[in-house]
Amino acid sequence: AQRVTQPEKLLSVFKGAPVELKCNYSYSGSPELFWYVQYSRQRLQLLLRHISRESIKGFTADLNKGETSFHLKKPFAQEEDSAMYYCALSRMDSSYKLIFGSGTRLLVRP
Amino acid sequence: NAGVMQNPRHLVRRRGQEARLRCSPMKGHSHVYWYRQLPEEGLKFMVYLQKENIIDESGMPKERFSAEFPKEGPSILRIQQVVRGDSAAYFCASSPRTRQGFTGELFFGEGSRLTVL
Repeated sequence: AQRVTQPEKLLSVFKGAPVELKCNYSYSGSPELFWYVQYSRQRLQLLLRHISRESIKGFTADLNKGETSFHLKKPFAQEEDSAMYYCALSRMDSSYKLIFGSGTRLLVRP
Repeated sequence: NAGVMQNPRHLVRRRGQEARLRCSPMKGHSHVYWYRQLPEEGLKFMVYLQKENIIDESGMPKERFSAEFPKEGPSILRIQQVVRGDSAAYFCASSPRTRQGFTGELFFGEGSRLTVL
C-alpha cells in the first residue's frame, strides 16, 4: 500500500537557519510528489511539485527514488515560513488521488 | 474568485443524527474531491466527483456515507446516523479540467469541522 511518512510533528528553528522537512514514501511505481502548505488562518495550498523542479519561496525538494524521499529544504528560514507542511503522493494511474502525510509544523523563531 | 466555499464551517450533531456538508467549487472547476482529516493525521481521500457523476469513491466508508455533485448546486457529503468516530475535519477541494489531465494542484476549502456528541 502507498504511504507517506513525515516523521517530525514539529520542527523549530531560528530565523536564518537551514530547514529540512523530511518526507519518505512507499510506492512500488513511479510516484508524483508534492508539498502542500497551510499558513495560519489560510487554506491548504500547493507549494511545489517534484515534476516542476522549481524553487518556490526559496524552498526546493528533490525526489530521491533510491531513498524514497522527497525532503523539503530551505537554506535560510524566515519567520513567515512558519506553517503546517504536508507531503503528498499521487499514483500515475489515479493521479487525482493524493495520499498525504500527517504533516510537520514548522516554527521559525525570531 | 471566492475560492472553494464550504459550509457549515462547524457542525455539531448528536449520535444518530444526519450531517450534511456542502461544497461549492471554484468558478470554472468541474472536479470536486472530499478528504477527511482525523486528529493528528493527514488528509485521507474519500471521493472524487464530476457533475452528476461519482468517478472514484474508493475512500468512502461502505455504509452511512454518500456524496453527490448535482448538475446545479453544490456538492454534498452526507453522513447518516453519525457516530463519535465521524468527528473530523472534512475538506473539499476542486480542480479544473485541463487537456494535460490532473496537474496535482488541488484548491482547498477551509474545511467543515464535524463534532459528534
